[in-house]
Formats: sequence, structure tokens, C-alpha cells
Amino acid sequence: DAGVTQSPTHLIKTRGQHVTLRCSPISGHKSVSWYQQVLGQGPQFIFQYYEKEERGRGNFPDRFSARQFPNYSSELNVNALLLGDSALYLCASSPWTGSFEQYFGPGTRLTVT
Amino acid sequence: GIQVEQSPPDLILQEGANSTLRCNFSDSVNNLQWFHQNPWGQLINLFYIPSGTKQNGRLSATTVATERYSLLYISSSQTTDSGVYFCAVGHQAGTALIFGKGTTLSVSS
Repeated sequence: DAGVTQSPTHLIKTRGQHVTLRCSPISGHKSVSWYQQVLGQGPQFIFQYYEKEERGRGNFPDRFSARQFPNYSSELNVNALLLGDSALYLCASSPWTGSFEQYFGPGTRLTVT
Repeated sequence: GIQVEQSPPDLILQEGANSTLRCNFSDSVNNLQWFHQNPWGQLINLFYIPSGTKQNGRLSATTVATERYSLLYISSSQTTDSGVYFCAVGHQAGTALIFGKGTTLSVSS
């Protein structure tokens, strides 16, 4: 079975630009969460979606937004990029029903110059 | 919010040695997971263990929810065990995971 997939793998953007990151959950999983991991730290929660509704939001500015589609895939959008947005962005999926165990994708490494 | 503390922050072992990693959390949890992050950044699920004890090969984990801690045991360590080990907890079932700062394990041959 395919795991969580994310695209792109790597991305280089310039300050002020906009970026869209994509995530496809494990088949049958209805919940997707996004995390940001900066170098040397643990992942920090950004958003959680279940059945296309936002179920949780971390302490991130409004420049960050996300959505979940009817097929349960998800996009994370970041506007007006700052140097400090450079990080590994991780997507996790969870079945929600029956188990809340989260499974992570390989991540998208974003570099803002 | 919940605080998650992992110890030790760094651990250096010779191949074949055993080790214990600890995770303390500040409030009751309904979700606790242990992960191994490989050098490419992939978080690999080790255990989903909000309470009780589980074993998987050379690895085992115990969570004592009433005392707010979890332990990850690695026996007969191998060089491939090197990497960062994270403990992550959820305050309520289905909510986001809060991660500790991790334990960096280095195993040399």
C-alpha cells in the first residue's frame, strides 16, 4: 500500500513569493495534518483537517492557509514568504475512525532566499 | 498547552549496547507516538502507545499514563538505529501531535 505522498520534494522560492505544497493521504484515511520542522527542532503543528473541515490550527500567521479536497488530499499555501519559512513541511494522515495514529510523508523541503 | 520533554538530548553508543530514552509530558494524553527520523527527514512510526507496553523486535516501549511518562528501549543497537527519536503526544484523541525536542542517537561500530 502506498504511504503518504508529498510534492514537490524540494522547492526554492524568493522572499515575498507564494508557495503551494501538496499531500495525498494513505488510502482510506480521512484526516490530514500539516507540520513545520525547522532545523534542529521537533515538528510544529500548523493545521488539521478531517472530512474537508478544519479541526485544528496551530500558532502560525494568516499567511498560512490550507484546504482538503473531496478525495481527502490537501494543499498548504504560504503567502508573502519570509526567510524564516525555510523548513521541512510534513504532512501526516490518520484514519480518524478507529485510530488516531498519524503517519507522515517524506516532506517538502522549502528554501526561501 | 502540553509540554513534552525528552531525555537525554544526545546519546552516543557502541554497536550492541542497550539504551533507554525517556519522554515526560505535563498533562493527560490520549495519544502518544514514538518516531525515528532518518537522515532524509522521514518520520518512521515506531509505536502508537498511549498506555501499556509494546514490543517490536529489538525495540519496546512503555507508557505509564498516570505518571505521565513513556520509555523507549533499544536493545543490541545497530548503526542503522542512528538518528533522531521523537516522542509526540495528543491531548485529546484526534488532535494534533505535540513533539518533544528529540533525542539524537549515534551508534558507532
